Amino acid sequence: DAGITQSPRHKVTETGTPVTLRCHQTENHRYMYWYRQDPGHGLRLIHYSYGVKDTDKGEVSDGYSVSRSKTEDFLLTLESATSSQTSVYFCAISESEKSFYGYTFGSGTRLTVV
Amino acid sequence: SQQGEEDPQALSIQEGENATMNCSYKTSINNLQWYRQNSGRGLVHLILIRSNEREKHSGRLRVTLDTSKKSSSLLITASRAADTASYFCAPTRGTGRRALTFGSGTRLQVQP
Repeated sequence: DAGITQSPRHKVTETGTPVTLRCHQTENHRYMYWYRQDPGHGLRLIHYSYGVKDTDKGEVSDGYSVSRSKTEDFLLTLESATSSQTSVYFCAISESEKSFYGYTFGSGTRLTVV
Repeated sequence: SQQGEEDPQALSIQEGENATMNCSYKTSINNLQWYRQNSGRGLVHLILIRSNEREKHSGRLRVTLDTSKKSSSLLITASRAADTASYFCAPTRGTGRRALTFGSGTRLQVQP
């Protein structure tokens, strides 16, 4: 999607290993979000950021940490990956706190933990 | 939770027919958004309707909002095979630190 890229697109990792997913934007938007999507659960919010070094937890934050040292990058880290974290991860950005312009989503990262 | 709940979970129609999906929510809102997700892709913002609006149009999309019933509907007229996707609603409250939350969506299949 224009202005937002996620990397890697696919990753297979072993249980217990650390994994970092990257979300990069070129829109200079202040607000960034990480979601995971699993069958039967829709999208669930993991963490979000209101700006550099300003992050907050979502509904499924256990086992995940985030960092935002630059406006353009929002990193999601699985400290010790577990099979339950096998999922598709989406990053989103927003220009407005009140979402008047909607969120723009990345294309997702498919993570498999074996 | 500010999450909306979409209904039905799945909908299958023929090309050319209209598709209607519904969203219910539980708390007062400032606006409500609808998103589409094609298979394997990220969500795409379709339309936003504010709490003081009752109906909004965008191309073949028509969204209604009934704040007294805490519900919204998305109508896609003259459906095309390319409309096959999952559709999500996201009600939004305007104050405080929060992010959009999503339900499981409605899976629309448009048969050619």
